[in-house]
Amino acid sequence: AQKITQTQPGMFVQEKEAVTLDCTYDTSDQSYGLFWYKQPSSGEMIFLIYQGSYDEQNATEGRYSLNFQKARKSANLVISASQLGDSAMYFCAMREGRAGGSYIPTFGRGTSLIVHP
Amino acid sequence: DAMVIQNPRYQVTQFGKPVTLSCSQTLNHNVMYWYQQKSSQAPKLLFHYYDKDFNNEADTPDNFQSRRPNTSFCFLDIRSPGLGDAAMYLCATSRLRDLGSGNQPQHFGDGTRLSIL
Repeated sequence: AQKITQTQPGMFVQEKEAVTLDCTYDTSDQSYGLFWYKQPSSGEMIFLIYQGSYDEQNATEGRYSLNFQKARKSANLVISASQLGDSAMYFCAMREGRAGGSYIPTFGRGTSLIVHP
Repeated sequence: DAMVIQNPRYQVTQFGKPVTLSCSQTLNHNVMYWYQQKSSQAPKLLFHYYDKDFNNEADTPDNFQSRRPNTSFCFLDIRSPGLGDAAMYLCATSRLRDLGSGNQPQHFGDGTRLSIL
């Protein structure tokens, strides 16, 4: 079973509008972390935002915010005021505890976001 | 700036000819990871090092080996590349925290895009 599910293979948004990228996860751990990364066509993975399982507030980083609904096991990324440079692949990832204490993130399949002028 | 550097950015090799990809980091992070990413797919973890402790994923082919001579450097060796090994290879690092706080993101290099002739 997939631990991270991103159901939107592709999304389109008009410049300056907001967009939500979906992510649901599956874990039995009480302590875990959720990450979003951006991957432009050039290939580098850029860390955007983090949400811890015990965090009560939704994480925000500039134009990025994470809509964390723990009971529903969802961690959607919201990008406000989209810019052309936001066009990229977006990956949701989860880090659980693993025996030996090494945290190994699991990635979703990604969502391709295209921002139209 | 502290960072993760992968060399080369692009690598072309012949079918069956051994190839080595390199990764260096100035972040002094405990953990280094190698991922394989094929087009439009999520990164697939090949192995990781926690300090000098090597951890192989169960489905990583024997064709893939790794070395970490010191904290700063990690190498990916592909002993006999096949056409199916053409992919982007991503190196990442993270700083391990104690269990219960896994909020350290992975820091990725720009990747090496490997082509097989």
